[in-house]
Amino acid sequence: DAGVIQSPRHEVTEMGQEVTLRCKPISGHDYLFWYRQTMMRGLELLIYFNNNVPIDDSGMPEDRFSAKMPNASFSTLKIQPSEPRDSAVYFCASSPIRDRAAGELFFGEGSRLTVL
Amino acid sequence: AQSVAQPEDQVNVAEGNPLTVKCTYSVSGNPYLFWYVQYPNRGLQFLLKYITGDNLVKGSYGFEAEFNKSQTSFHLKKPSALVSDSALYFCAVSPGTYKYIFGTGTRLKVLA
Repeated sequence: DAGVIQSPRHEVTEMGQEVTLRCKPISGHDYLFWYRQTMMRGLELLIYFNNNVPIDDSGMPEDRFSAKMPNASFSTLKIQPSEPRDSAVYFCASSPIRDRAAGELFFGEGSRLTVL
Repeated sequence: AQSVAQPEDQVNVAEGNPLTVKCTYSVSGNPYLFWYVQYPNRGLQFLLKYITGDNLVKGSYGFEAEFNKSQTSFHLKKPSALVSDSALYFCAVSPGTYKYIFGTGTRLKVLA
């Protein structure tokens, strides 16, 4: 399997622009997660999906952030409008079903976002 | 509040020496415990997990971790460190939901 695939790997944009990050999870994995990693705050869970349905989006920082999963093989994280404080590495991860959340996460390579 | 603590920002060890990366947690119930490793400009990779059973768990690349319920700790260990083990290590806890709680990470530097 190719693993979790994220695109773009690097994105540099100007404040106010829309940013869309993409993720293809591992086939057969029923859970998909979006994390943000910064030096100051470490790894933060933004949102996760189960069978394409958003389960918990309490980590989404503001209404400027939105995430969708239109099918089992694709998810997007959108920031509109972007701000410099959104600069971070955004990770997508997927996981197969396990009883009581005992499954490990499979991470993509991340999308490094820089907002000028 | 539920939390995971990695008290050391960085651990330095000489190649060939044993290494320990510490993790303690504050989570109710019987959580599942994980270790992940992150190499520069890469995503996190799963190393090992504790679900139940033997307190000593063996994982990838010769790593192992010891679960101690009374001390609520899950320290990562390796008998003989390699320079290639130098990376960022994260402890994580699942309190029975999929909202995994990650520690802040410990940078391991193995010196030749």
